[in-house]
Amino acid sequence: DTGVSQNPRHKITKRGQNVTFRCDPISEHNRLYWYRQTLGQGPEFLTYFQNEAQLEKSRLLSDRFSAERPKGSFSTLEIQRTEQGDSAMYLCASSLLPSRNTEAFFGQGTRLTVV
Amino acid sequence: AQKVTQAQTEISVVEKEDVTLDCVYETRDTTYYLFWYKQPPSGELVFLIRRNSFDEQNEISGRYSWNFQKSTSSFNFTITASQVVDSAVYFCALRGSGGSNYKLTFGKGTLLTVNP
Repeated sequence: DTGVSQNPRHKITKRGQNVTFRCDPISEHNRLYWYRQTLGQGPEFLTYFQNEAQLEKSRLLSDRFSAERPKGSFSTLEIQRTEQGDSAMYLCASSLLPSRNTEAFFGQGTRLTVV
Repeated sequence: AQKVTQAQTEISVVEKEDVTLDCVYETRDTTYYLFWYKQPPSGELVFLIRRNSFDEQNEISGRYSWNFQKSTSSFNFTITASQVVDSAVYFCALRGSGGSNYKLTFGKGTLLTVNP
């Protein structure tokens, strides 16, 4: 499978615990994006990387959230001290550098439930 | 600021009916890109089409067709002879150019249910 891969697919955690999600992008894609999707809403941009550099972070990304992309390959998204409001689907996407012929390809997402 | 509006929250049709999903967008960019994605129950967003703002030619792909009207800022999606497998949430999205070329702005989606 050469698409975007996300692990785990589902995560249930207790409030206050830390969680980490992983995303493996399409291998030749130098851009990697994280989005969050809550029930009944469209995905909302969180952050993105160009190679290993994190170039933009949304105001949705509080201090409890951190993302990394070491060596410009896979990425991790960590949420510390989870809150019930963090319950959502976390989607990863990757693309080549934007041009008129570029689109982002998404993984299947990690569904987080904070209890 | 960029905005995408999908006014139809849910649509229900019977198999073989044609259905049109509406999308209206707002942007100040003169060059921009519009997308449609399909999200089946499995959760993955499946890319369907990209349309560049400087190309107003409409496109047909099998049972799918897209109508881009720059004058009304709309990018509507029509499924002809719908099938049960078309049941999913469909998202319209917008990507700007220049400083805003890094992110997609999505609408809230339209849940399409195709009944046998």
